[in-house]
Amino acid sequence: DILMTQSPESLAVSLGERATINCKSSQSVLYSSNSKNYLAWYQQKPRQPPKLLIYWASTRESGVPDRFSGSGSGTDFTLTISSLQAEDVAVYYCQQYYSTPLAFGQGTKVEIK
Amino acid sequence: QVQLVQSGAEVKKPGASVKVSCKASGYTFTGYYMHWVRQAPGQGLEWMGWINPHTGGTNSAQKFQGRVTMTRDTSISTVYMEVRRLRSDDTAVYYCARDIEAVVTAPFDYWGQGTLVTVSS
Repeated sequence: DILMTQSPESLAVSLGERATINCKSSQSVLYSSNSKNYLAWYQQKPRQPPKLLIYWASTRESGVPDRFSGSGSGTDFTLTISSLQAEDVAVYYCQQYYSTPLAFGQGTKVEIK
Repeated sequence: QVQLVQSGAEVKKPGASVKVSCKASGYTFTGYYMHWVRQAPGQGLEWMGWINPHTGGTNSAQKFQGRVTMTRDTSISTVYMEVRRLRSDDTAVYYCARDIEAVVTAPFDYWGQGTLVTVSS
């Protein structure tokens, strides 16, 4: 089974500043035949279901603001919010969909400093 | 527009069973895998398994095998998940979520609103 580990568990960032969340998988989620990383990022606000932000490690879902970006390959990935807005306060999860059992990271809580 | 509408909250006693439904609309029901994900109070997301609405085939995480059954009714575009022999640590919000592509290894672009299942004596 692939284990997903996020860091930090929480972070507080000033409005307009950059927020960076890291995600590490216990084995590579890069599929060599198509060179795609099977890694997604979700945002979850209180009392709401998760929302897909990024998939294939760096492809932004339709309608997601361009201040959200994803990077990385293999086992190490990053979600960056380039200029934090008040509405970005949420918990963020990475997910590997390379193999079953699909797995999520434990989540990173982003707050305003 | 795509919508996944789940059944309402449930309160069950330990040892009982619960069946949660997820009704899909706005797309071809049999064209996309449906997954179940749960979230215990204050905790993270836990993938439970998937069902292929076209074939009825399923795959669940090992910890749920033997205790969870996923089914579908194509006539009403609805998937179901039944959990048997409920324990207190099954208390969680249960979500259905659809694949973004018509393959099993894809992220989830649409989610149901969630169904809170409370297990308490």
